[in-house]
Amino acid sequence: GQNIDQPTEMTATEGAIVQINCTYQTSGFNGLFWYQQHAGEAPTFLSYNVLDGLEEKGRFSSFLSRSKGYSYLLLKELQMKDSASYLCAVRGGSNFGNEKLTFGTGTRLTIIP
Amino acid sequence: NAGVTQTPKFRVLKTGQSMTLLCAQDMNHEYMYWYRQDPGMGLRLIHYSVGEGTTAKGEVPDGYNVSRLKKQNFLLGLESAAPSQTSVYFCASSSRQGAYEQYFGPGTRLTVT
Repeated sequence: GQNIDQPTEMTATEGAIVQINCTYQTSGFNGLFWYQQHAGEAPTFLSYNVLDGLEEKGRFSSFLSRSKGYSYLLLKELQMKDSASYLCAVRGGSNFGNEKLTFGTGTRLTIIP
Repeated sequence: NAGVTQTPKFRVLKTGQSMTLLCAQDMNHEYMYWYRQDPGMGLRLIHYSVGEGTTAKGEVPDGYNVSRLKKQNFLLGLESAAPSQTSVYFCASSSRQGAYEQYFGPGTRLTVT
C-alpha cells in the first residue's frame, strides 16, 4: 500500500523561508509531485521529482531522497499569496501504474506579516 | 484553452436522488480521473480512465459509476446519493508523456441531505 505523511499545519513569516516535509512508504515509486491548493480552489502543479536531488523553480525548490522515502518543498521569500495547502503526491506502487497518484492529506501553510 | 472544466459547480441532493457530474478537457489528454476531497482525508481517487472507452476503479469507487464515451469527457454518476457522498469532487487529466502531471478542474461542491 501507500502511506504519505506531511505536517497538518505550519506558520511562517512574510519574507522568510519555510520547508515542508513529506515522507512516504510505498510498494513502488515512479515520482513525487507537489501541488499547491488555495482555499476553495483546485490543486495546481508545482514540481516533480523522480531522481534524487534538488529541483529549483524560482522561489520554490523540491528535494527528493528515494532511499529515505523523503521529500521537502522549500519556499523562499515568502509572500502572503503563498498561504495555501501544499499537497505531496506519489506515483507508483505494486498495483499502481504510471497513471495514478496517491496524495497526502496536505499541509496548510499560513503566512503572517 | 479552457483546460479542465466541470459542471455543475454546486449541487444539493436529497438522499436517494441521482445525478451526473460532467468533466471536459481540451488538452487531448489520454488519462482522466475523478477524486473526492474531504477535510482531513486529502484527495482520494474514485475512478479513472486511461483512454476512451476504458475505466477502472480507484481507492473509493463504491456508490459511483463512470463513463468515458469520448476522449475529452469523463462522467461521474451517483445512482442513489447518500449523505456520506457530501464532498468536493475534482476531475483531473494528464498526458501519458513526460511527468504525467495532473491538471485539475475547479471542483463541484456536492451536499447530500
